[in-house]
Amino acid sequence: SQKIEQNSEALNIQEGKTATLTCNYTNYSPAYLQWYRQDPGRGPVFLLLIRENEKEKRKERLKVTFDTTLKQSLFHITASQPADSATYLCGGSYSGGGADGLTFGKGTHLIIQP
Amino acid sequence: NAGVTQTPKFQVLKTGQSMTLQCAQDMNHNSMYWYRQDPGMGLRLIYYSASEGTTDKGEVPNGYNVSRLNKREFSLRLESAAPSQTSVYFCASTRGETYEQYFGPGTRLTVT
Repeated sequence: SQKIEQNSEALNIQEGKTATLTCNYTNYSPAYLQWYRQDPGRGPVFLLLIRENEKEKRKERLKVTFDTTLKQSLFHITASQPADSATYLCGGSYSGGGADGLTFGKGTHLIIQP
Repeated sequence: NAGVTQTPKFQVLKTGQSMTLQCAQDMNHNSMYWYRQDPGMGLRLIYYSASEGTTDKGEVPNGYNVSRLNKREFSLRLESAAPSQTSVYFCASTRGETYEQYFGPGTRLTVT
């Protein structure tokens, strides 16, 4: 079965630095990957989507890459701020049709220290 | 727009009791989903409904049933609750063509 892996240990980053989170997948490449932010006690909130045939997507301070050779997506937050502290989830779709749900990793807890 | 709403927010059940978790979206989305989130396990798909009138099993469907009542509403039923079903349940929906999912605030369920 397909698996999405994230380092679920906390990642501590100094304010102002770039935070880089990793999402690895096994076996087949997902048709696309999505990144979500989740705050304690809340539902996940969509951030970025990248398709299998795209190398990079950007949105304001956020950047995501998709490397099918390494079977990996990297999620970057530049000029990080304490307000960026949250758990970040990576989810992949294996059908490409958009309707059959996502396979999620366990999430990475990001802490931005002032 | 309220987005995705879920009721109840919290629930405590005894083993063997039944209940239905309700979910509604007001974004005219075609597809809806039920996930559960457990510590150390991440989000796992229970059931989904690609469109009104269809439902399919996800990764962890055992012990659950679903109903897509209409385009807006998708309910999750626990017929005989077990302690292993203690979890946070999230409903989500998507328009389809852009594929991003919108999540509700979650239902925290404890089965004793």
